[in-house]
Amino acid sequence: DAGVIQSPRHEVTEMGQEVTLRCKPISGHDYLFWYRQTMMRGLELLIYFNNNVPIDDSGMPEDRFSAKMPNASFSTLKIQPSEPRDSAVYFCASSFGQAGGYTFGSGTRLTVV
Amino acid sequence: QQQVKQSPQSLIVQKGGIPIINCAYENTAFDYFPWYQQFPGKGPALLIAIRPDVSEKKEGRFTISFNKSAKQFSLHIMDSQPGDSATYFCAAKKYSSASKIIFGSGTRLSIRP
Repeated sequence: DAGVIQSPRHEVTEMGQEVTLRCKPISGHDYLFWYRQTMMRGLELLIYFNNNVPIDDSGMPEDRFSAKMPNASFSTLKIQPSEPRDSAVYFCASSFGQAGGYTFGSGTRLTVV
Repeated sequence: QQQVKQSPQSLIVQKGGIPIINCAYENTAFDYFPWYQQFPGKGPALLIAIRPDVSEKKEGRFTISFNKSAKQFSLHIMDSQPGDSATYFCAAKKYSSASKIIFGSGTRLSIRP
């Protein structure tokens, strides 16, 4: 199994631009999570899906952030417009069922200049 | 009540020493306590986890000690090696529930040769 696959690995964009981060969860996993990691705030859960349906988006910082999961094998996190304070590493994780831990991807390092 | 408090923030230990990382939680509904290990440029990876029906769990050189009455748990690394240098996160959740994992703030561990 290739694990959770995220793309791109690095993204540098200018303030005001739209940014789309992509995630392919492990096949068969029915939960998908988007996290943001910064030095100041640690690991923050942004949103998670179960069977492609958003369950809890209370961690999404503001309306500039949106996430979709059109099918079981693909999810996107979009920031529009991006701001310098959005600079962070964004992780996608997936799990099978409600029990146990998550498998994380390698992350996307986003830099907004 | 949802927080998991982790200490210390950083730790430096000589090779062969036994680093200890401590975590405390408040929500008594939590019954699954995983530890994640994160190397630079990688996502967190599940290292070891414990349920509250046991007070200790060992996997190789890694041991979790769990004190249910004190609502505390800790990670010990026996015979630590430079390759163990990483950031460690404790976490907690309700095992058989769709509730999200709550992560501690992380401990940056450095093992000196």
